[in-house]
Parts: sequence; C-alpha cells; structure tokens
Amino acid sequence: NAGVTQTPKFQVLKTGQSMTLQCAQDMNHEYMSWYRQDPGMGLRLIHYSVGAGITDQGEVPNGYNVSRSTTEDFPLRLLSAAPSQTSVYFCASGRSGGRGDSPLHFGNGTRLTVT
Amino acid sequence: GESVGLHLPTLSVQEGDNSIINCAYSNSASDYFIWYKQESGKGPQFIIDIRSNMDKRQGQRVTVLLNKTVKHLSLQIAATQPGDSAVYFCAENPIYGGATNKLIFGTGTLLAVQP
Repeated sequence: NAGVTQTPKFQVLKTGQSMTLQCAQDMNHEYMSWYRQDPGMGLRLIHYSVGAGITDQGEVPNGYNVSRSTTEDFPLRLLSAAPSQTSVYFCASGRSGGRGDSPLHFGNGTRLTVT
Repeated sequence: GESVGLHLPTLSVQEGDNSIINCAYSNSASDYFIWYKQESGKGPQFIIDIRSNMDKRQGQRVTVLLNKTVKHLSLQIAATQPGDSAVYFCAENPIYGGATNKLIFGTGTLLAVQP
C-alpha cells in the first residue's frame, strides 16, 4: 500500500492563479481531510469529508474548495491564490475521523508558495 | 476559546535520558487525545492516543498521561534515541453535538536529542 499520496510536492503560484492539490489514498478510508501547517500555528483543518459525495468545512475554509467524487481521491482547489495561502498542505485519511480505532494517516505534504 | 497549546516549544535531551513533552488543552468537552511525531519533510505520524476515561496509557517506549482536572496531557519517551528527534504535536478531538471529525492540533514541540 502506498498510503496517502500527495502531488505535487512543491508548487509556486502567482497571486490570482488557481490550482488543484491532489490527494489519493489506497486504504479504503471513508474519512479524508486537508490541513495547512504554518510556523507556530500547528495544523489547521481546512475541509474534510466523511465519505464520497459528502464534504464539510473546517476551521479555515475560505479560499479553498473540495469535492469527493470517489472514496480514494480528495482534491483541494485554490480558486484565486493569495500570498496568505503560502503554507504546507497535508492530506489525511482515516476510517473514522481520527479516533483511536483508526488514527489519521498523513501524506508527506505539498509546499505551496504564492508570490 | 478552544485551543491546544504546548508549554515548551523546544526540548533538548541527552541520548538515553527520558523525555517529557507537555500539552495543555482548553476544551473540557474533548474526550480523545492523540500524540503525533513529525520528522523533517514528512507528514505527522501517529504515536499514541488516550481517551478521557483513562489517565495513563503505555506503548513501546512511550507513555501518555492525561490529567483532566488541570486539562494537561504529557508524552513520556523512555531512553530517548537520536531517531526520536522530531516535532511532537498533541491533538484533541472535541465533541460538537456528537460529531467527532475535527482534530485540533497544538503548535508543536521540537525534541532535539544530543548524542
């Protein structure tokens, strides 16, 4: 199993550009989520999904869209990139949203810089 | 407000010593807590978890202690090794009307193991 795979690993965007961060998992997990990690702020939840066709907002959803058309994939779209979205983005999956019987499995992140 | 924070941003220990990483949480409704380890350039990796009906849980070389009275969580690492050098995050899972899908992470503690 590859676990959680994120692409690309690095990306540089200009302000106003759009792009999609890809996330795929091969563990048949129902729950998937996106976090951003900024220095001194830990990880903050952007959006999450409890199953195909179901998404919900996390703590910092503004400027991001998600969709969940399949169990395996959970792409994160930046509609119009802003410098404030410069961050490291992590995708995570789990059977039940991070509880003890299924801890979250994280990808290795996408480092995004918006100039 | 709801937050998870850490007392010490950086902890330096000698190889072979025991390490203790502390975490304070503010949401008394949280019923599940997790410790993650993050190595440079990688995503967080699950270490150990504990539910609020317990005050101690042991794993391999790691122990998590929970003090609900003072809302304090700690991670103890026995016989610290160079491979333990990483950033350690605590996370809580507060219950919002029964939903349990929103992990809140602390800001992280850097553990530096000196040979």
